[in-house]
Amino acid sequence: RKEVEQDPGPFNVPEGATVAFNCTYSNSASQSFFWYRQDCRKEPKLLMSVYSSGNEDGRFTAQLNRASQYISLLIRDSKLSDSATYLCVVNSGGSYIPTFGRGTSLIVHP
Amino acid sequence: EAQVTQNPRYLITVTGKKLTVTCSQNMNHEYMSWYRQDPGLGLRQIYYSMNVEVTDKGDVPEGYKVSRKEKRNFPLILESPSPNQTSLYFCASSLMDNRREQYFGPGTRLTVT
Repeated sequence: RKEVEQDPGPFNVPEGATVAFNCTYSNSASQSFFWYRQDCRKEPKLLMSVYSSGNEDGRFTAQLNRASQYISLLIRDSKLSDSATYLCVVNSGGSYIPTFGRGTSLIVHP
Repeated sequence: EAQVTQNPRYLITVTGKKLTVTCSQNMNHEYMSWYRQDPGLGLRQIYYSMNVEVTDKGDVPEGYKVSRKEKRNFPLILESPSPNQTSLYFCASSLMDNRREQYFGPGTRLTVT
């Protein structure tokens, strides 16, 4: 079983839609979680960290469900510029090697 | 401007010809790492460094070497490149370790023929 799994998509949504992605992880000792955004073949950039209590940044909301071992990213009022690949990253206690998901592709169309 | 730089950005080389990809950060970060990204496989860590003279293997270290003689620089060395090392490479840095936000360089697209 892969350590971190994401639905590759693509998720194809109209502007203004709300879309959500999940990312499941297998190591229950995982300690820190992030969502990164990657535009086509460019470097990943941090979108947001994921805190235990959940956190929001404008149109973006991230949540952590430790019991079911997944994190989620919710995007409200999608914009054309949100089209990208969204990578989840999981760091486990005792390891200095982060585990990246393979990414979920989002396409927002007019 | 806080940034991670990599050079070269694009490189085409032949099997067996040693090459070095440089990486430099100006944020005084302790943690630096190298990743390769291949279609369908996502980002995989090659090597990481917790500080000067402290390096360790990531998930896919075979065929690569690194060094960390200065805090700001973390070059990736391919002693004898092979076609299966054709990939997109990213250098990244973080303030303390991988549990903090990582800042990525712009990437180096390497083709080995």
